[in-house]
Amino acid sequence: DVKVTQSSRYLVKRTGEKVFLECVQDMDHENMFWYRQDPGLGLRLIYFSYDVKMKEKGDIPEGYSVSREKKERFSLILESASTNQTSMYLCASRTAGNEQFFGPGTRLTVL
Amino acid sequence: GQQLNQSPQSMFIQEGEDVSMNCTSSSIFNTWLWYKQEPGEGPVLLIALYKAGELTSNGRLTAQFGITRKDSFLNISASIPSDVGIYFCAGPSGAGSYQLTFGKGTKLSVIP
Repeated sequence: DVKVTQSSRYLVKRTGEKVFLECVQDMDHENMFWYRQDPGLGLRLIYFSYDVKMKEKGDIPEGYSVSREKKERFSLILESASTNQTSMYLCASRTAGNEQFFGPGTRLTVL
Repeated sequence: GQQLNQSPQSMFIQEGEDVSMNCTSSSIFNTWLWYKQEPGEGPVLLIALYKAGELTSNGRLTAQFGITRKDSFLNISASIPSDVGIYFCAGPSGAGSYQLTFGKGTKLSVIP
């Protein structure tokens, strides 16, 4: 079974703090994704990575950056957290057959 | 960009009833994926469909890839309380795309 894990289930940070969200997958997938999910807006793609050290912007990259130093790990960075980044963050990993497998999510609250 | 329209948006059903939901697109998809998300959790892949007309089951769940390749259906038979959640359809955002387009979801509530 594919396993995607995220470093925290719940996180509370203050405005202006730098925040790291980490995601690890154990299936040697090349492609990994970061989404945020908000009520009424559905799943929105922030960034994705199609290989180590490769990244591409998704639909809403502003205020975020990513890092992919190793194949199994994809990190999402909020350089200076703001209250409008309070959200559920979901990481996913993709098979060659287009299936994406999601982690359990990190619910981030920025105060 | 591509859009997926899911209906209904929400459903309240009695335990034991069958459920049917669908997803339509204005463009052709070559893969359809169905996910379930429970409150506070990440989406879980239920069924993946790869060929027009394909009918695939996973326990009490059955999904079909529409012949026109612009729609897909998910049926749940004999619903139980643990079927509660939001069901999403998804498909690749374009030929050769790594990304998925997601529907907005169907929220299912089961009354015991």
